[in-house]
Amino acid sequence: DVKVTQSSRYLVKRTGEKVFLECVQDMDHENMFWYRQDPGLGLRLIYFSYDVKMKEKGDIPEGYSVSREKKERFSLILESASTNQTSMYLCASGGGANTEAFFGQGTRLTVV
Amino acid sequence: AQSVTQLGSHVSVSEGALVLLRCNYSSSVPPYLFWYVQYPNQGLQLLLKYTSAATLVKGINGFEAEFKKSETSFHLTKPSAHMSDAAEYFCAATPFYGNNRLAFGKGNQVVVIP
Repeated sequence: DVKVTQSSRYLVKRTGEKVFLECVQDMDHENMFWYRQDPGLGLRLIYFSYDVKMKEKGDIPEGYSVSREKKERFSLILESASTNQTSMYLCASGGGANTEAFFGQGTRLTVV
Repeated sequence: AQSVTQLGSHVSVSEGALVLLRCNYSSSVPPYLFWYVQYPNQGLQLLLKYTSAATLVKGINGFEAEFKKSETSFHLTKPSAHMSDAAEYFCAATPFYGNNRLAFGKGNQVVVIP
């Protein structure tokens, strides 16, 4: 089975902290994605990566950055966490060219 | 950029009645299209996908979707709702050409009334 693993299910951070969310996939997928999910807004794409060290901004990249040094790992970085970044963060891998994307269980981040 | 529209954030359906969730895409070239389901406190799982092989696509749990190019639509249906269908449903699209950006609609929260 394909596995997409997010490092934490729940995270509480303070305003201004630098936050790292980690995602690891085990299927050698080229594409990886970070979304945030908020009630009534669905899944909004933050960043995606189509190869090692390659990335593209999604719809809401402000306040976030990403890193993909190895194919299996895609990290989302909140440079200076703010309360409006309190949300559910979902990582996915795969997708494109008619293949489905596989999702992690999500990280619920609370910024206080 | 590719966009996906789902109308009606909350959908109530009686047990045994038809489930109909609407999805429209924006691109001139039909994209690859997907429906995902999210049960409470779980990640998303694939219900079905359109890959241009057939316009009527059957998925898991009795769901199916029909691709209509003339209407730029990919609506999801199930003939008879079951209590276990209560979940959030998302339509998604990825371009046929170019990058593999995967865009989602806002989702439909389905409530099944006994």
